[in-house]
Amino acid sequence: QKEVEQNSGPLSVPEGAIASLNCTYSDRGSQSFFWYRQYSGKSPELIMFIYSNGDKEDGRFTAQLNKASQYVSLLIRDSQPSDSATYLCAGTDSSYKLIFGSGTRLLVRP
Amino acid sequence: EAGVAQSPRYKIIEKRQSVAFWCNPISGHATLYWYQQILGQGPKLLIQFQNNGVVDDSQLPKDRFSAERLKGVDSTLKIQPAKLEDSAVYLCASSSRLAGGSYEQYFGPGTRLTVT
Repeated sequence: QKEVEQNSGPLSVPEGAIASLNCTYSDRGSQSFFWYRQYSGKSPELIMFIYSNGDKEDGRFTAQLNKASQYVSLLIRDSQPSDSATYLCAGTDSSYKLIFGSGTRLLVRP
Repeated sequence: EAGVAQSPRYKIIEKRQSVAFWCNPISGHATLYWYQQILGQGPKLLIQFQNNGVVDDSQLPKDRFSAERLKGVDSTLKIQPAKLEDSAVYLCASSSRLAGGSYEQYFGPGTRLTVT
């Protein structure tokens, strides 16, 4: 069964620190990976996607992909209390269907 | 650009009753998805439409769940009869295609269903 695994957390970091969120996946055929942010009681909001090995930066966010290790990460620089949310990692299967992890809860302490 | 619209936002029903959810995707998005998200879990795909055709319904409990997208725009998901374990948030998403062949999905606000 194709799976995407995330540590449920919570990951607690102080304001201004770098938050590092990690995700592993089982399907070597997965091509693209997505990070969604979900505030409590709200729907997932797309932050970034990545499909090439290496880093992709967008503002305070950097996504990293290592296909050999089947590992995806999201770095949030200068973390703010407003970043406190659950972060969902998702990968596509061979039919481009998204397989979601269960999410990591991030808490940014003021 | 208007986002994905869903209604109702909340619904409480008793087990064995029926319920229907409606979704209107982002204009121009040919692909529409229905997900079920149980508390503490990630969204699970129930069904995917491309225009008015079903692409994937492998995880849809077809004995009680049905969905349609008759004109290739808005869609309805129905549960009949509902069970206690159907209590969840039902999310609709629509997507545009990325250059790499994958799909960038945008979610609606969801419908929170409570079955008592």
